[in-house]
Amino acid sequence: DSGVTQTPKHLITATGQRVTLRCSPRSGDLSVYWYQQSLDQGLQFLIQYYNGEERAKGNILERFSAQQFPDLHSELNLSSLELGDSALYFCASSVGNSGLTDTQYFGPGTRLTVL
Amino acid sequence: DQQVKQNSPSLSVQEGRISILNCDYTNSMFDYFLWYKKYPAEGPTFLISISSIKDKNEDGRFTVFLNKSAKHLSLHIVPSQPGDSAVYFCAASARGGTSYGKLTFGQGTILTVHP
Repeated sequence: DSGVTQTPKHLITATGQRVTLRCSPRSGDLSVYWYQQSLDQGLQFLIQYYNGEERAKGNILERFSAQQFPDLHSELNLSSLELGDSALYFCASSVGNSGLTDTQYFGPGTRLTVL
Repeated sequence: DQQVKQNSPSLSVQEGRISILNCDYTNSMFDYFLWYKKYPAEGPTFLISISSIKDKNEDGRFTVFLNKSAKHLSLHIVPSQPGDSAVYFCAASARGGTSYGKLTFGQGTILTVHP
């Protein structure tokens, strides 16, 4: 158990809908990262937040947005869903802002299926 | 553009033998490298890391070797155990710029250790 929790574990929805994925980091961790793992691709970095502020951005679609709240939990919002958004979404957390040497601890993931 | 590549999708090894997993990268700005292990239905788990100032890092049965001139790293597991059967991801991070804090992952290699 990494100490990172993600809810829900599974989510099934229809195209065009909007969903929210939630992540609680390990106690004491200030950074939260979101990754997407599709069937045909490896883990793709989406976005990082540090202590409530956006810190780094990857190939995140404009239809996706995220935020980190004062209690440090984070939410990833996916809107106007398409079939291709079906994937595993992982959240990770680390102690500080130094992504270089900070070990990132991953949650169990949320499996999103868009029908 | 696949900046981190794991060219072997799978590897099968006998228990007690050495497992060697390989990873190549193209971005010369990468200077921190990690290996993660992933079991089904779980998030990736950090295994071992290496900074570009070193060429070897050892932790128990796991050793990571880095060849900067060849932009190549490898993970050695000795001796291999059936419980090591999992997907292994190589990841890389760069200091500074927009890549700061972002991990770039390879596609993963499925390791199967036979009793």
